[in-house]
Amino acid sequence: AQTVTQSQPEMSVQEAETVTLSCTYDTSENNYYLFWYKQPPSRQMILVIRQEAYKQQNATENRFSVNFQKAAKSFSLKISDSQLGDTAMYFCAFMKPNNNDMRFGAGTRLTVKP
Amino acid sequence: GAVVSQHPSRVICKSGTSVKIECRSLDFQATTMFWYRQFPKQSLMLMATSNEGSKATYEQGVEKDKFLINHASLTLSTLTVTSAHPEDSSFYICSAREPVNYGYTFGSGTRLTVV
Repeated sequence: AQTVTQSQPEMSVQEAETVTLSCTYDTSENNYYLFWYKQPPSRQMILVIRQEAYKQQNATENRFSVNFQKAAKSFSLKISDSQLGDTAMYFCAFMKPNNNDMRFGAGTRLTVKP
Repeated sequence: GAVVSQHPSRVICKSGTSVKIECRSLDFQATTMFWYRQFPKQSLMLMATSNEGSKATYEQGVEKDKFLINHASLTLSTLTVTSAHPEDSSFYICSAREPVNYGYTFGSGTRLTVV
């Protein structure tokens, strides 16, 4: 079974600074997908960024980027120029292409301070 | 983009009664939908996979007779919590695979309180 580990229950960052959230996973698969989801106080799950395992290039979406280290099974999220609206729970997730179900890490609560 | 609508957003019911939660894919067909449960300050735990036209697949430890799932059409899956008890109080979220890209799109969730 695949497991996803987020070792940072809580983190905080000053507005406009950069923060990195860590995620590691365990799988014997060679091809899979990785995701970061944001859950603000409204509790709506919002996709932040996704990465295909067979792509070596790290995904980037505006202020959000990942550091995907396949050999180390690591998938960290970097948030640049942090904004107050980035305050939320962040979940790392793993999905096999044909398995359908998505597995989540325990989450990291990020607080952006003014 | 793909939208999943979930209703109701909040529901309060009495112990022993049943409550139904609906999950609809608004602009795409979803042969498979997923139901998650989330306790306060915890992660999402997969409860079951809902398959259109067939029985749902439940995760280990999830009571299929308590959490009835029906996926009668390509755009609607329902979760019915039967004979609800206070310990069933939780946040329930549905999702469906995005029709074009890989990944999920999520409903807005339902906060169930059993009193």
